[in-house]
Formats: sequence, C-alpha cells, structure tokens
Amino acid sequence: AQTVTQSQPEMSVQEAETVTLSCTYDTSESDYYLFWYKQPPSRQMILVIRQEAYKQQNATENRFSVNFQKAAKSFSLKISDSQLGDAAMYFCAVEIQGAQKLVFGQGTRLTINP
Amino acid sequence: NAGVTQTPKFQVLKTGQSMTLQCAQDMNHEYMSWYRQDPGMGLRLIHYSVGAGITDQGEVPNGYNVSRSTTEDFPLRLLSAAPSQTSVYFCASSYTTGAAKNIQYFGAGTRLSVL
Repeated sequence: AQTVTQSQPEMSVQEAETVTLSCTYDTSESDYYLFWYKQPPSRQMILVIRQEAYKQQNATENRFSVNFQKAAKSFSLKISDSQLGDAAMYFCAVEIQGAQKLVFGQGTRLTINP
Repeated sequence: NAGVTQTPKFQVLKTGQSMTLQCAQDMNHEYMSWYRQDPGMGLRLIHYSVGAGITDQGEVPNGYNVSRSTTEDFPLRLLSAAPSQTSVYFCASSYTTGAAKNIQYFGAGTRLSVL
C-alpha cells in the first residue's frame, strides 16, 4: 500500500519570503505521479503542481517549484515570494500510474504573516 | 464550463436515514471518484469509476454505494447514515488518456453531519 507523510502540521512565513513544505511517500511502484494540492478556506481543492516520477527535472509553476528526490522518496514544495493568497492547507498526494487513485498526506496548514 | 458540480453543499441527517450525494461533470471525463475528508486527515478514496457501468471500491467503501449510468453523473448513496460518516465529501473527475490524464478536478465538497 502507498503512504504519504507530511511531517509539518503547521508552517508560517512572512509575506514575500520563501517557504518549503515537506512530503515523503512510500510506494513499490516505479511509475507514478506526485501532486501538491492547495485547499483554501473555501474548501475547494486546487492543483498547484504535478511531477511525473520518470522525469528527473523538477516541475515548476511560476512561484511554485518542487524538489523531487526519487531515491529518498521525498517531494517538497517551495513557495517563493509568498503572498497572502497562498494561505491554505497544502496536501501532498501520490497517484499510481494507470490506477488514477490518489493517496493523500495529512496536510500542512500554511499561514502568511503580513 | 461548470466543471464538477456537487449538490447539496450542506446536509444534516439523523442516524439511520438514507440520502444521495450528487456529482455531475461536463468535461466528458471518463474517470470519476468520491473522497471523504475528516478533520486532521487527508482525503481518502471511497469509490471510483473508470467509465459508465464500471465502478470499484477505494480505501473506505463500507456504508456507501455508487453507480455510473452515464458519463456525466456519479452519485454516492448512504443507505443508513451513521455518525462515523460525518465528514466532508469531495467528487473528482479526470481523463484517462492524453496529456491531461491524472489531473483530477474536484467539486466544491458537501459537508455532511449525521446526528
């Protein structure tokens, strides 16, 4: 079975600073996808970034980037130039290729201090 | 383009009552799924479907039934509600092929309380 662990229940950062959210996972599969989802107070689940396990290059989306370490099964999210609108719960998830079933971590609540 | 639509947004049930949570998508996605989110936990998969007429169980299927008679709709039925089913329920959908495969789009959620 696949498991996802987010070891930081809460994080806070000053506006305009950089923050990194940690995620580790366990899977015996070699082909899979990794995701970071954002859940603001509205409860809507919003895809932040996606990483394919067979790609060595780390994914980036504007101010969001990942540090993917396949051998260590680590998938951290870096948010640069933090903005007040980044405040939310962030969930890391793994999806096994072909199965399309997501396994989520417990989430990290990110607070942005003005 | 409405995306994934869930109804109702809120619901309160008494123990033993039954109800159906509705989910509809207008993106012609083959794959649809239901998750539940409990406090302090991530989302957990209840049931999923890879196309009309095909459903399968996820991680926490007990107490829930699903069917998929059309591509657009994937209702979740609670046959006899229990307090342990108090949760927020999310429906999601995605393509099963192509560049957008694996990108799941979520509905806004249904907050269910069972008294």
